[in-house]
Amino acid sequence: AQSVTQPDIHITVSEGASLELRCNYSYGATPYLFWYVQSPGQGLQLLLKYFSGDTLVQGIKGFEAEFKRSQSSFNLRKPSVHWSDAAEYFCAVGAEPNDYKLSFGAGTTVTVRA
Amino acid sequence: EAEVAQSPRYKITEKSQAVAFWCDPISGHATLYWYRQILGQGPELLVQFQDESVVDDSQLPKDRFSAERLKGVDSTLKIQPAELGDSAMYLCASSPGSGNEQFFGPGTRLTVL
Repeated sequence: AQSVTQPDIHITVSEGASLELRCNYSYGATPYLFWYVQSPGQGLQLLLKYFSGDTLVQGIKGFEAEFKRSQSSFNLRKPSVHWSDAAEYFCAVGAEPNDYKLSFGAGTTVTVRA
Repeated sequence: EAEVAQSPRYKITEKSQAVAFWCDPISGHATLYWYRQILGQGPELLVQFQDESVVDDSQLPKDRFSAERLKGVDSTLKIQPAELGDSAMYLCASSPGSGNEQFFGPGTRLTVL
């Protein structure tokens, strides 16, 4: 079965600084990877997904993620964070595009300081 | 923009009581999911429907939880009796079909006293 580890529970970053959130997955075959964001009291919103092709994936809100098979990683990045980026971020892995069963990491909480 | 609706947003109950949560997916979405998100953890799938049929309920504690989607549209998740460990956020999501992006509702936060 697939699984996800997000090593950082909490990250604090200054507004305008860059952000990188780590995600490591465990799966024997090609994984299908997702990043979701959850604002306080809200549901999850998909930021981006990787199924195949270019390993650098662009998403919404200026986020991007890079799939590195050799490192079993799918780290999320943003060059310049805004105060509105303060939220909880979840990495998820599925076994294939049509496998509905997503396994989520425990999440990383991002705090943005002025 | 179409959204997944859930109610109530917050529910406080005492243990051994029954609770029910309602979800209305985006119109036309055949697949509906219920997740449980314990504080500090990621969502965990409880049950998945394809139209009115249960596709996967392997993680649903069937001794106390039940879910239905009678007409293949909205869905209800019930807990009876509620236990202290059931305190969590219950998220509903829908998608046009398996494998597609899942659209999440705002969730129902349950507190069991």
